[in-house]
Amino acid sequence: SQTIHQWPATLVQPVGSPLSLECTVEGTSNPNLYWYRQAAGRGLQLLFYSVGIGQISSEVPQNLSASRPQDRQFILSSKKLLLSDSGFYLCAWSEGRVYEQFFGPGTRLTVL
Amino acid sequence: ILNVEQSPQSLHVQEGDSTNFTCSFPSSNFYALHWYRWETAKSPEALFVMTLNGDEKKKGRISATLNTKEGYSYLYIKGSQPEDSATYLCAFNRDYQLIWGAGTKLIIKP
Repeated sequence: SQTIHQWPATLVQPVGSPLSLECTVEGTSNPNLYWYRQAAGRGLQLLFYSVGIGQISSEVPQNLSASRPQDRQFILSSKKLLLSDSGFYLCAWSEGRVYEQFFGPGTRLTVL
Repeated sequence: ILNVEQSPQSLHVQEGDSTNFTCSFPSSNFYALHWYRWETAKSPEALFVMTLNGDEKKKGRISATLNTKEGYSYLYIKGSQPEDSATYLCAFNRDYQLIWGAGTKLIIKP
């Protein structure tokens, strides 16, 4: 069966510091991968998605970036965090044409 | 409709009562409609995927219907329980993505 891992679970970072969140999927090959964010009191916002190694589509222009160095690894990064980057970050994967998405446990990021 | 609209935005229901809420989506180029349940501080959990007009899906006390011609889906909860409190999201397929609604926040009052 497939599983998805995210780490860390929680993170507190000062403004201006870098960020690296990692997501890995097990039990499947060539999944579609997604990064979402939920800001306080808001809904689910798609940040990036990837349909293959090295292929990244950005949905929202901002100071975040994503990379997919391996088939089942998806990384969300920032060189300098802003206060507005605080939120709950979710990684998800899908496969097949229906694209039902399965979510990781999430990372709670607080930027101070 | 160009995106997904869900109504109401929030809903307070007495424990034991039944309830329902709506998801509206573009009816053109339809492929699939998804319902998810999202509890606070947790990950969204898939409830249903529906692809055919007239589809009805059921999981325990929760069921959903789909009308692709007019572009809407209903989610029904029968005999609401406190553990049903969550935000219910719907989404439709576009390319490799899911386009998400803002959700209906359901609060069950004991």
